Amino acid sequence: GENVEQHPSTLSVQEGDSAVIKCTYSDSASNYFPWYKQELGKRPQLIIDIRSNVGEKKDQRIAVTLNKTAKHFSLHITETQPEDSAVYFCAASLGGGQNFVFGPGTRLSVLP
Amino acid sequence: GAVVSQHPSWVICKSGTSVKIECRSLDFQATTMFWYRQFPKQSLMLMATSNEGSKATYEQGVEKDKFLINHASLTLSTLTVTSAHPEDSSFYICSASLAGQYEQYFGPGTRLTVT
Repeated sequence: GENVEQHPSTLSVQEGDSAVIKCTYSDSASNYFPWYKQELGKRPQLIIDIRSNVGEKKDQRIAVTLNKTAKHFSLHITETQPEDSAVYFCAASLGGGQNFVFGPGTRLSVLP
Repeated sequence: GAVVSQHPSWVICKSGTSVKIECRSLDFQATTMFWYRQFPKQSLMLMATSNEGSKATYEQGVEKDKFLINHASLTLSTLTVTSAHPEDSSFYICSASLAGQYEQYFGPGTRLTVT
């Protein structure tokens, strides 16, 4: 089955710096890769996603890159702000279906 | 749009009792609903997938007789934790998606504490 790894598990950056979180997946049939932000006790919120036919996608300060050959994708947050502090989860679709496998998460702390 | 609600937001029950959690899609018809469990400081683990009008598909290791899922309509799915034990204490989150779409819309979660 699909296995999603995520690194680092914790990340601290100074406000204004960039943050990068990386994920790898094992199922070559996976074709949808969302990123979720979760604050303590709250629901996961989709912040950006990418499909397998695209190599990069950007939405303001957030970007995601996908390397299908290497089976890895990354989240990039620029000009970080304290409100970006949260746990971020990557996920990969199982084959061509709607089920997701989530990575273990990255706790991002943006220090003022 | 694409709002998913859950009820209750938190519940405390005694060991051996059953608890029902509701998941509703408020402004769209959800052909598929997903139930996840999240332990403290851990990731979301898929428990089961349900499609309206059919039996749920459970992930390996999830007891279908303990976690009863009903998806009776396109806007409502329920998860019943039967004979709950302290180890079932967790954050239960549902999500919903539209037919043919990958994106899942998450509910706010239900924190279950079994004493």
